[in-house]
Amino acid sequence: AQSVTQLDSHVSVSEGTPVLLRCNYSSSYSPSLFWYVQHPNKGLQLLLKYTSAATLVKGINGFEAEFKKSETSFHLTKPSAHMSDAAEYFCVVSDLPGGGNKLTFGTGTQLKVEL
Amino acid sequence: KAGVTQTPRYLIKTRGQQVTLSCSPISGHRSVSWYQQTPGQGLQFLFEYFSETQRNKGNFPGRFSGRQFSNSRSEMNVSTLELGDSALYLCASSLSPGGLGANVLTFGAGSRLTVL
Repeated sequence: AQSVTQLDSHVSVSEGTPVLLRCNYSSSYSPSLFWYVQHPNKGLQLLLKYTSAATLVKGINGFEAEFKKSETSFHLTKPSAHMSDAAEYFCVVSDLPGGGNKLTFGTGTQLKVEL
Repeated sequence: KAGVTQTPRYLIKTRGQQVTLSCSPISGHRSVSWYQQTPGQGLQFLFEYFSETQRNKGNFPGRFSGRQFSNSRSEMNVSTLELGDSALYLCASSLSPGGLGANVLTFGAGSRLTVL
């Protein structure tokens, strides 16, 4: 069965400092992994996706994530936080055989960015 | 290009009533998925439709149902509402159900249901 664990429910950083949001996954198959972001009262927006092409994945707004099979991790990073990055972030896995749109979401990490 | 449109955005119902939510996917997208988001359970998969057929179903009671029309628009229905059904219901569309690796889903803003 597929699952993701987001290790931190809340992360607080200062503007201009690096961001690290941690995610571990469990999958019976070769997984597809995603990071989505949700701003207050908004829908979910895709930040980036991993589908086995390259282990380092670059996304929008300066975010990137590295797939580490040996550690079953898919941590999200950004070199320098901006106030507009404050939102909730979800690590997501889909590993239905042959693909598919049945996604399993992590519990989310609330990112706070302070001046 | 219009995004995923969900209606209504907000609604209030009482226990025992039923509700129907609507989702219009991005033009050309034929797969529609539904998710429930609550503070306690987080985001959970409800079901997925493609070409008017349900492809996958999550672990929800039979009170939750859905359908898809020939123009790819989808509706979901919840009958005999319970307090615990209060949630944000998110619809997502994609070009197809996926192949080797999942597709990218584009989400709507959601329908926020409050059950009193």
